[in-house]
Amino acid sequence: AQSVTQLGSHVSVSEGALVLLRCNYSSSVPPYLFWYVQYPNQGLQLLLKYTSAATLVKGINGFEAEFKKSETSFHLTKPSAHMSDAAEYFCAVSAGGSARQLTFGSGTQLTVLP
Amino acid sequence: DAGVIQSPRHEVTEMGQEVTLRCKPISGHNSLFWYRQTMMRGLELLIYFNNNVPIDDSGMPEDRFSAKMPNASFSTLKIQPSEPRDSAVYFCASSREHYEQYFGPGTRLTVT
Repeated sequence: AQSVTQLGSHVSVSEGALVLLRCNYSSSVPPYLFWYVQYPNQGLQLLLKYTSAATLVKGINGFEAEFKKSETSFHLTKPSAHMSDAAEYFCAVSAGGSARQLTFGSGTQLTVLP
Repeated sequence: DAGVIQSPRHEVTEMGQEVTLRCKPISGHNSLFWYRQTMMRGLELLIYFNNNVPIDDSGMPEDRFSAKMPNASFSTLKIQPSEPRDSAVYFCASSREHYEQYFGPGTRLTVT
């Protein structure tokens, strides 16, 4: 079984500041990990994914995440926040192998202050 | 490429009525997922199909909910009879390999 914990349901940053959204996972097998973004009244859009290749994963819109097995973490970062980054962000885990189901975290609402 | 297509985008119905939500997955994808999103419960997986066959329906809340996938390009989620607590945004997602799922825009269901 897998689970995901996103620390902080709401995060506020100033425009131009570092964005750090935290995600910790639990999985009994090597996981596949994902970050999705949801803008208001839209579906979820894939930002990036980790599937057991490079531990530092780069995604769209300048976001990246680092897989740290020892810490069971997959935190999302962006060096400089933009107003357009304001959205809800979801971390998700899959058990990999033949499993196809994703388990989602509860989401983090990112607010970017001018 | 067209993304996942869902219809209708908004549905308002009265308690007791039947509701049918529709989904067209991305061409070539062989897995399809139905989710429900609410403020209280977040994003919940209801059911998923692989090669048109239901694999796991343990998330379907009760017998009022049913889902079908008659072919690789179409799926429905039906609620009969609908209740106010079914009000939510329902998402369909599809995937092919490497497990990333692509989501549709969702159907916002309001049951009065």
